[in-house]
Amino acid sequence: SAVISQKPSRDICQRGTSLTIQCQVDSQVTMMFWYRQQPGQSLTLIATANQGSEATYESGFVIDKFPISRPNLTFSTLTVSNMSPEDSSIYLCSVSDIPNTEAFFGQGTRLTVV
Amino acid sequence: AQSVAQPEDQVNVAEGNPLTVKCTYSVSGNPYLFWYVQYPNRGLQFLLKYITGDNLVKGSYGFEAEFNKSQTSFHLKKPSALVSDSALYFCAVRDRECSGNTPLVFGKGTRLSVIA
Repeated sequence: SAVISQKPSRDICQRGTSLTIQCQVDSQVTMMFWYRQQPGQSLTLIATANQGSEATYESGFVIDKFPISRPNLTFSTLTVSNMSPEDSSIYLCSVSDIPNTEAFFGQGTRLTVV
Repeated sequence: AQSVAQPEDQVNVAEGNPLTVKCTYSVSGNPYLFWYVQYPNRGLQFLLKYITGDNLVKGSYGFEAEFNKSQTSFHLKKPSALVSDSALYFCAVRDRECSGNTPLVFGKGTRLSVIA
């Protein structure tokens, strides 16, 4: 199993500003995933982050808006840039190193943009 | 493409009664299937998974799920519901035919409310 520390747990931000979310894992993992969960909805994958390479973004998500860093095998950041109220969501990081095992999740970052 | 359907937005059940939360999936190959639970202001907690073998899998907190390949279903069940089971439940799938480690695809979630 993996223990994931994600911070901040919540934040209220002004529109037009940026927020960086950190995700720390207690073991080395190859792949980390960032999800967005809008109010009352399911999880939508934003991007996959591999160490040493550029993140791979899903349709509808772009690097300029959601830049991701993956400097080593235990850490990643997601930045939500130039925020608008539509970015208000829960953002979750996840790791899963072997295909037939479950994914593990951080506790999430609840972002409110005002 | 992979997808998961959870046809019920909300399931209400009386405490002590059995509960079922429905899930059907679509993958091009064979699936790995998962159930997660999300309590208010918390991240996702893993409940159980189907990888291979026995179609009935048992997980945390007394939950179980049955893999039915012909119906492409993986319904979550519990014989006797508790008020503390009230939460948001997500079914997820990964296609085992995909090379490497791919992210999970989630259903929209089902809110379970257990009434005392």
